[in-house]
Amino acid sequence: GENVEQHPSTLSVQEGDSAVIKCTYSDSASNYFPWYKQELGKRPQLIIDIRSNVGEKKDQRIAVTLNKTAKHFSLHITETQPEDSAVYFCAARRWGTGGTSYGKLTFGQGTILTVHP
Amino acid sequence: DAGVTQSPTHLIKTRGQQVTLRCSPISGHKSVSWYQQVLGQGPQFIFQYYEKEERGRGNFPDRFSARQFPNYSSELNVNALLLGDSALYLCASSPGQGWVQPQHFGDGTRLSIL
Repeated sequence: GENVEQHPSTLSVQEGDSAVIKCTYSDSASNYFPWYKQELGKRPQLIIDIRSNVGEKKDQRIAVTLNKTAKHFSLHITETQPEDSAVYFCAARRWGTGGTSYGKLTFGQGTILTVHP
Repeated sequence: DAGVTQSPTHLIKTRGQQVTLRCSPISGHKSVSWYQQVLGQGPQFIFQYYEKEERGRGNFPDRFSARQFPNYSSELNVNALLLGDSALYLCASSPGQGWVQPQHFGDGTRLSIL
C-alpha cells in the first residue's frame, strides 16, 4: 500500500525565516497531494494542495512543489510568523475506480513547526 | 456556512463496550470519510462513503463499521472496544468522490477507553 514519509519531525525557526517540510510517497499512481495544518486540539485544516499535473502552486506565503519522477513534494513557508506554529501533515491520494483504497488519504507522520518571535 | 460537525466531542468508554460517533458533512457535500488519529501520528483512513455506499475501507478490523444516511450524514460504530481504540476520530467531507475534491475535516470526537 501507499506509504508517505515526512521530514523533519520537528522544525524550529525564527520569525521571518523560511520553513521547508519534505514528503516522499511510494505509490507512483498517487495524483493528489494536500497539506494540512493542525493546531493543538483543533481540526486538520487544508492549507494548500497540488495535483499531479502541476509542478508548483503558490498561495501568498505558502507554496508546494511536486517532483513526480522522484516521488516527493515539499511545503515552503516564507516570512514565518508565530501563528504558523502548528503540526503540519502532508498526504497523498490515489485516484481509483474501485478496490479498498478508493478516496483514501495517506498521511505523513507530521512536522511540529515552532516559530520563535 | 457550517463546516463539518461531529458529535459527541468527547467520550469515555470501557473495554468491551460499543460506541457510535456521528458526523454531518458540509452542506452540499455527498462524500464522508472517517479517520483515526492516535496522539502524535497522522490520521489513518478507516472508511469512505459516497451516496450511501461504502467506497473505500482501510486496514481496520471488522469491529469498525459505518453507514451514510440519505441526508449524507454518517455514523461510525466500533464494537468490543479495546484500549488501543483510544484516539481522535475525524470525519471529513468532500463534494463528491473525484480526485480533485479536497477533504475538509471536523473537530473530531476524542474517544478514551478505560
